[in-house]
Amino acid sequence: RKEVEQDPGPFNVPEGATVAFNCTYSNSASQSFFWYRQDCRKEPKLLMSVYSSGNEDGRFTAQLNRASQYISLLIRDSKLSDSATYLCVVNLSYNTDKLIFGTGTRLQVFP
Amino acid sequence: EAQVTQNPRYLITVTGKKLTVTCSQNMNHEYMSWYRQDPGLGLRQIYYSMNVEVTDKGDVPEGYKVSRKEKRNFPLILESPSPNQTSLYFCASSSFPGTPSGNTIYFGEGSWLTVV
Repeated sequence: RKEVEQDPGPFNVPEGATVAFNCTYSNSASQSFFWYRQDCRKEPKLLMSVYSSGNEDGRFTAQLNRASQYISLLIRDSKLSDSATYLCVVNLSYNTDKLIFGTGTRLQVFP
Repeated sequence: EAQVTQNPRYLITVTGKKLTVTCSQNMNHEYMSWYRQDPGLGLRQIYYSMNVEVTDKGDVPEGYKVSRKEKRNFPLILESPSPNQTSLYFCASSSFPGTPSGNTIYFGEGSWLTVV
């Protein structure tokens, strides 16, 4: 089983739609969680950290479920510019950069 | 502007010809690392460095070397490249992991390497 698993997609959604991605992780000792966005052939960029209480940033909402070992990302009112690959990232330790990257979920928003 | 700069961005080379991919950051970050990204496998860490003269292996270190003589630079060295090292490489830096500002990893723009 992969340490971090994501549905590769693609998720094809119309503008204005709400779309959600899940990501499961296998190591229950994982400490911190993130969503990164990667545009085609570009470097990943931090979208948001994921906190136990859940967090929201504009149209984006991230949730963590430690009991079931998954994190989610909800995008409301999708824009064309949201088209990208979304990487789920898990850090196994607080004091080292032991990041485990998922392979990403591709989102394509169409007009 | 906060930057991680890698060079070269694109390179085609032949098997066995030593090459170095440079990486430089201007944020005075302690932590730097190298990743490779391959289809279906995601980003995998090659080497990391927690500070000057401190380096350690990541998940896929075979065939690579690194050095950290200065805080800002972290070159990746392929002593004898082979075709299975054809990949997209990213250099990354951050403040010390575990600190609030250390949650943000800054990546370079990537280096496309093809070994024939």
